[in-house]
Amino acid sequence: EIVLTQSPGTLSLSPGERATLSCRASQSVSSSYLAWYQQKPGQAPRLLIYGASSRATGIPDRFSGSGSGTDFTLTISRLEPEDFAVYYCQQYGSSFTFGGGTKVEIK
Amino acid sequence: QVQLQESGPGLVKPSQTLSLTCTVSGGSISSGDYYWSWIRQPPGKGLEWIGYIYYSGSTYYNPSLKSRVTISVDTSKNQFSLKLSSVTAADTAVYYCASMVTEAPFDYWGQGTLVTVSS
Repeated sequence: EIVLTQSPGTLSLSPGERATLSCRASQSVSSSYLAWYQQKPGQAPRLLIYGASSRATGIPDRFSGSGSGTDFTLTISRLEPEDFAVYYCQQYGSSFTFGGGTKVEIK
Repeated sequence: QVQLQESGPGLVKPSQTLSLTCTVSGGSISSGDYYWSWIRQPPGKGLEWIGYIYYSGSTYYNPSLKSRVTISVDTSKNQFSLKLSSVTAADTAVYYCASMVTEAPFDYWGQGTLVTVSS
């Protein structure tokens, strides 16, 4: 099983700041089959990024993904008030596993 | 656009079987375009994939749950279902149904339903 480790656990930032979230895999994720989701309280996760760097339909371009192999990053260029949420990475190259999540909170 | 809606009991007794159904609208399960998954999230914790089914009935389960999980499909009702046997308090979670295409992540999700395991 591929284990995904996300860091940091919590990120305290102000609106307008840049957020950088990390996701590290215990082994290489094949074909960059790595996705990122955003989850707000009481809601289902929403797909943001797939294939490590492709934005899903309707996702603003302030969200970007990068990385390959075992190290992946989600960047939010300028935080909007609605971006404060929990973010999960997920690999779908070898079965399906999720990271533990990073909470982006208002500083 | 595909929409999914979970339904089923919100309370299950320990050692019993948890049963949930996901109703799909805006698309046909029989189209073969999607794989249909169950995912769960214990309160305050992360996400765990349970398994998926294809319209043909072929399934793939999380090895950690495989011995207790059965996912089935009813194409006539455009529904798929989850059964999880011998539940304990550790199975208390919000259960989501979701869809995906081949070699892709989960794109459409239901709103989720909380199932509590308690006597």
